[in-house]
Amino acid sequence: RKEVEQDPGPFNVPEGATVAFNCTYSNSASQSFFWYRQDCRKEPKLLMSVYSSGNEDGRFTAQLNRASQYISLLIRDSKLSDSATYLCVVNKPSNTGKLIFGQGTTLQVKP
Amino acid sequence: DTEVTQTPKHLVMGMTNKKSLKCEQHMGHRAMYWYKQKAKKPPELMFVYSYEKLSINESVPSRFSPECPNSSLLNLHLHALQPEDSALYLCASSQAGGGQREKLFFGSGTQLSVL
Repeated sequence: RKEVEQDPGPFNVPEGATVAFNCTYSNSASQSFFWYRQDCRKEPKLLMSVYSSGNEDGRFTAQLNRASQYISLLIRDSKLSDSATYLCVVNKPSNTGKLIFGQGTTLQVKP
Repeated sequence: DTEVTQTPKHLVMGMTNKKSLKCEQHMGHRAMYWYKQKAKKPPELMFVYSYEKLSINESVPSRFSPECPNSSLLNLHLHALQPEDSALYLCASSQAGGGQREKLFFGSGTQLSVL
């Protein structure tokens, strides 16, 4: 089983749609969770950290379910500019400084 | 805009060349990282420096040699690379100390082509 798993997609959605991405992680002791966004041929950029209580930033909502070892990202009212690859990132608890990246989920928002 | 600066942005080198990638951050971060990323794949960790000491080497071939001259600078020295080493090389930094302080800030990367 991969340490961090994501559905690679692509997810093709119309503008204005709501889309959700899921991510599962294998190590129950992981404590740090993040979503990064990466545009083609650019560096990954932190989109948001994921907290136990869930958190929201504008159109983006992240949720953490520790019991199921599952993280989600919800994007409401999708914009063309949301088209990118979304990377789920989880820390490796026995190895401070090591973050494990999922394969990424590609989102394409169409007009 | 990224606060982690990488140079050069593009590099083409032959298999017998020696070159260096440079990375600089002025956010006061105490951990710095080198990642390698192939097209349509996630970044793969190569090295981590924590408080200027090498803390993680992910079994990277010795033709890649990292150096951390001080807490703001990170270099990656390249020698006798192979064509399969062609990739985007990303530098990142974090506050260090675990938890949410591990969140990474990436530079824009060096696109390396080995001929």
